[in-house]
Amino acid sequence: GENVEQHPSTLSVQEGDSAVIKCTYSDSASNYFPWYKQELGKGPQLIIDIRSNVGEKKDQRIAVTLNKTAKHFSLHITETQPEDSAVYFCAAAGNQAGTALIFGKGTTLSVSS
Amino acid sequence: GAVVSQHPSRVICKSGTSVKIECRSLDFQATTMFWYRQFPKQSLMLMATSNEGSKATYEQGVEKDKFLINHASLTLSTLTVTSAHPEDSSFYICSARRGTGANSPLHFGNGTRLTVT
Repeated sequence: GENVEQHPSTLSVQEGDSAVIKCTYSDSASNYFPWYKQELGKGPQLIIDIRSNVGEKKDQRIAVTLNKTAKHFSLHITETQPEDSAVYFCAAAGNQAGTALIFGKGTTLSVSS
Repeated sequence: GAVVSQHPSRVICKSGTSVKIECRSLDFQATTMFWYRQFPKQSLMLMATSNEGSKATYEQGVEKDKFLINHASLTLSTLTVTSAHPEDSSFYICSARRGTGANSPLHFGNGTRLTVT
């Protein structure tokens, strides 16, 4: 089955700096790669996703890149703000309806002002 | 706004009792819902896939007789933790896919914090 590795496990940055979180996956059949932000005591919130037919996607300060050949994808947050502090999870899923997401172990991002 | 509603958000129960958690998709139908479990400072672990009108599919190591899943309608799935024990204390989160394609966004409820005393 699919296995998703995520690094780093913790990341501390100064406000205004950029943050990058990287993930690798094992199943070449996976073609959907979302990123979730989870705040304490809440469920994960989808912040951006990318599909295998696209190499990069951007939404304001957030961007995701995908390298299918190398089977890795990354989340980039620019101009970080304290409210970006949370746990971020990457995930991967196959192309069959009803396929569950497999998550990475998460990255705790701390943005200090 | 929220597209998946989960209830209750917190529950404390005594060892040996059963607890039911509800997961509802709001303004869309979900033939498939997923139940995850999350321990403190850890990732989300898939427990089971809930299929409307049929039996749930459980992940390896998850006891189907302990974690009963019922997906009786296209907007409601329930997870019942039977004969709960302290080791069942965890954060349980449901999710549903909005749309029919495998690449449709998966939205999560806000989770249920279960504490078994």
